[in-house]
Amino acid sequence: GENVEQHPSTLSVQEGDSAVIKCTYSDSASNYFPWYKQELGKRPQLIIDIRSNVGEKKDQRIAVTLNKTAKHFSLHITETQPEDSAVYFCAATLYSGGGADGLTFGKGTHLIIQP
Amino acid sequence: DVKVTQSSRYLVKRTGEKVFLECVQDMDHENMFWYRQDPGLGLRLIYFSYDVKMKEKGDIPEGYSVSREKKERFSLILESASTNQTSMYLCAIQGFHEQYFGPGTRLTVT
Repeated sequence: GENVEQHPSTLSVQEGDSAVIKCTYSDSASNYFPWYKQELGKRPQLIIDIRSNVGEKKDQRIAVTLNKTAKHFSLHITETQPEDSAVYFCAATLYSGGGADGLTFGKGTHLIIQP
Repeated sequence: DVKVTQSSRYLVKRTGEKVFLECVQDMDHENMFWYRQDPGLGLRLIYFSYDVKMKEKGDIPEGYSVSREKKERFSLILESASTNQTSMYLCAIQGFHEQYFGPGTRLTVT
């Protein structure tokens, strides 16, 4: 089955600086890679995702890059703000027309934005 | 707005009890999932279902079973609860690509 490794487990950055979280996956058949943000006491929510036919995707201060050859993908947050403090999870799955078999998650990164 | 609800936010059960966790969705989606979340381990897939009466094992199905008698309802069953099943349980439904999560049930087994 799929295995997803995520690093670092904790990341502390100064407000306004950039943050990068990296993930690797093992199953070359995986074609869908979402990133979830989970604030304390709340449910995970999708913040950005990328499919394997795309190398990069941006949404305002958030971007995700995918390197299929190396089987790794990264989340980039620029101009970090206090509200970016949360736990971030990467995930991977094979998504077909009928749906996905369930997400395989990384273990999470606790992002701390220092004022 | 997508609505995924879970029957309880907090639950305390005793070792050996049979435990039912309920998940209900109002979006008529076929695919539903149960995950457990533990500190330092992320979210791990227990079971999922593509349709009524269908179920598939995830990565950690041991000690659990599921039931899907109606499309909108997906139940996770702990046949005989044990202390190592103390965890946060999250239900999710599959949208077009995105999975939407319920608020979670924090289960403590004593």
